[in-house]
Amino acid sequence: DTEVTQTPKHLVMGMTNKKSLKCEQHMGHRAMYWYKQKAKKPPELMFVYSYEKLSINESVPSRFSPECPNSSLLNLHLHALQPEDSALYLCASSQRDRTQETQYFGPGTRLLVL
Amino acid sequence: LAKTTQPISMDSYEGQEVNITCSHNNIATNDYITWYQQFPSQGPRFIIQGYKTKVTNEVASLFIPADRKSSTLSLPRVSLSDTAVYYCLVGDRKAAGNKLTFGGGTRVLVKP
Repeated sequence: DTEVTQTPKHLVMGMTNKKSLKCEQHMGHRAMYWYKQKAKKPPELMFVYSYEKLSINESVPSRFSPECPNSSLLNLHLHALQPEDSALYLCASSQRDRTQETQYFGPGTRLLVL
Repeated sequence: LAKTTQPISMDSYEGQEVNITCSHNNIATNDYITWYQQFPSQGPRFIIQGYKTKVTNEVASLFIPADRKSSTLSLPRVSLSDTAVYYCLVGDRKAAGNKLTFGGGTRVLVKP
């Protein structure tokens, strides 16, 4: 199973709402990532969790709050977002083996903030 | 982190070979070169990764010269379904939680 799943596929929220994005993988990977991708732009790294601990935060505003409840799950809690936060949010996971490290991406959650 | 530079777009025709060159002049000793493919509204998909010389898999080939300051992704006999954005990434794979930075990507359009 080389699949990363993300829910929901689409999300519309107001600026005062609180919502969460979920990501799940069952590949035994110990590194998980959140990326943000605006239209016609490359994905931008937001957070990295390594062995369930936050290892990289790319200066992301506090209205985005990541959480890694266990090695298979990654959440992104959203609160008081702005319209400019509308984007495709991608989750990925990876686990080094002896030959290469590959990041496996989920299909993404398309977020619209009104 | 090594910065990558790729052509913004390329057009090709079905059955042709497509070669996309990526420049990474500041590549570090521990860095590997990885290529991803992304279709609209989908997550990127790993294509190939290499350190030096040539790597080939069932999808593509990756050519890396001795100085490693550039690399070329070669897609043999493309079809319409190969229309996508192709990203070249350079990063140190040895640390857990590998921090990869996506460059601008190359939009490949395959025409009939």
